[in-house]
Parts: sequence; structure tokens; C-alpha cells
Amino acid sequence: GAGVSQTPSNKVTEKGKYVELRCDPISGHTALYWYRQSLGQGPEFLIYFQGTGAADDSGLPNDRFFAVRPEGSVSTLKIQRTERGDSAVYLCASSLMGGPGELFFGEGSRLTVL
Amino acid sequence: DQQVKQNSPSLSVQEGRISILNCDYTNSMFDYFLWYKKYPAEGPTFLISISSIKDKNEDGRFTVFLNKSAKHLSLHIVPSQPGDSAVYFCAASGGSNYKLTFGKGTLLTVNP
Repeated sequence: GAGVSQTPSNKVTEKGKYVELRCDPISGHTALYWYRQSLGQGPEFLIYFQGTGAADDSGLPNDRFFAVRPEGSVSTLKIQRTERGDSAVYLCASSLMGGPGELFFGEGSRLTVL
Repeated sequence: DQQVKQNSPSLSVQEGRISILNCDYTNSMFDYFLWYKKYPAEGPTFLISISSIKDKNEDGRFTVFLNKSAKHLSLHIVPSQPGDSAVYFCAASGGSNYKLTFGKGTLLTVNP
């Protein structure tokens, strides 16, 4: 497809379980971002990739969160030992080169931790 | 500590009238500002942006105004249409910092 694709669109899990969320960016976009949007809030930055490397992971809330982008395209956000407070919409975005400017967002993965 | 603030959670206007959405920021390092629109169950979509070297940018029915001294920007939609009903997020970035900092959003409802 032409846009940013995220799977799954919805994920319900139990507290303590492991979750993976996948993002397929727009073809040719070297920069990839993960954001988290909680109810009533704006998106909050988690991590930024330029190519295969995480250029900035300062937004990851703790060491239960990890993200990879091994081939510089698809990225996976991994959450270990999920907690109820992790429930949110996880948004992925990409841009052509990175830097300030327009980001193209996917529809998000809604995570619910019971 | 919210660096980007949208103090109006919601706004309701009549079709054909002007919609004005406001945004304030506190970080003086921000030099690029964007507005995103979000429909339910969709990701945010880019609407319009402005660099700090400008005080106005216009794109069709949408105009963004930037007042750097007041650390304030606004989005004007004229004329408003029912299809404009959505949540509008103000976002900012600074210098070589690529991260966008978002406000909490304003729900705009345009009534036919």
C-alpha cells in the first residue's frame, strides 16, 4: 500500500504478557517513529529510527519497551510484562529523510491490557 | 510539564463560519510548527505547517498564524465545512530535534 501500515489494529492481552506491534513504513522513507497516544492526550514520542539504528530512544518509558528495525524498513515495537497502564494507541510514522517536518502516520495499533 | 498547550478541548461552529483553533507553547527552542487533523480510528494526517521565520502560512481554506513573542499560534479555517469535524493537534519541533511535541488536541464540530 501507499501509506504506513500497522498491525494488528487491535490487540487485547492480559497483564504480564508479551506483545509485538508491527509497522511497515512508506517505501523509501528512511526515518521511522513510534508514538503512543493515551486517552485524552496527544501523541507522545517513544523512539526514532534513521535507517536501521535507533537514533533516539529517550521516549521509551522503561526497559520493558524495545523496538527494532533490522533491515531499515519494517519496525517492531516489543513490550514485555505488559501492565494496564500500557493500554493506549501506538502510532507509527515515517518520513523521507527525518528532521523537522511532516510525518506520515499509520492508523495505529490499539493495545488493551486487562 | 506540557510544552504545547491547546486549552480548548472542544469547539463548535456553524457551517460557513470561521473556525479558530489556538495553541500555546513554552519551549523557546521550538522553531517549526504543524497542525494535524485526526478522524476517529485513523492516524493523524498533516494539515499545514509554519516555520518560525514566517508569521503566516496559507493553504486553501486553512491559514496558520504564528506570534513568536507571545509563543502562540492559531489555525483558521474559512469557510468551515462539516467534513472538517475532527480532532486537531498542534505540534512543534525545535532546531535539529526531529521529535514532534503534541498538544492534547481540540475537537472541532462543524454543524450543518
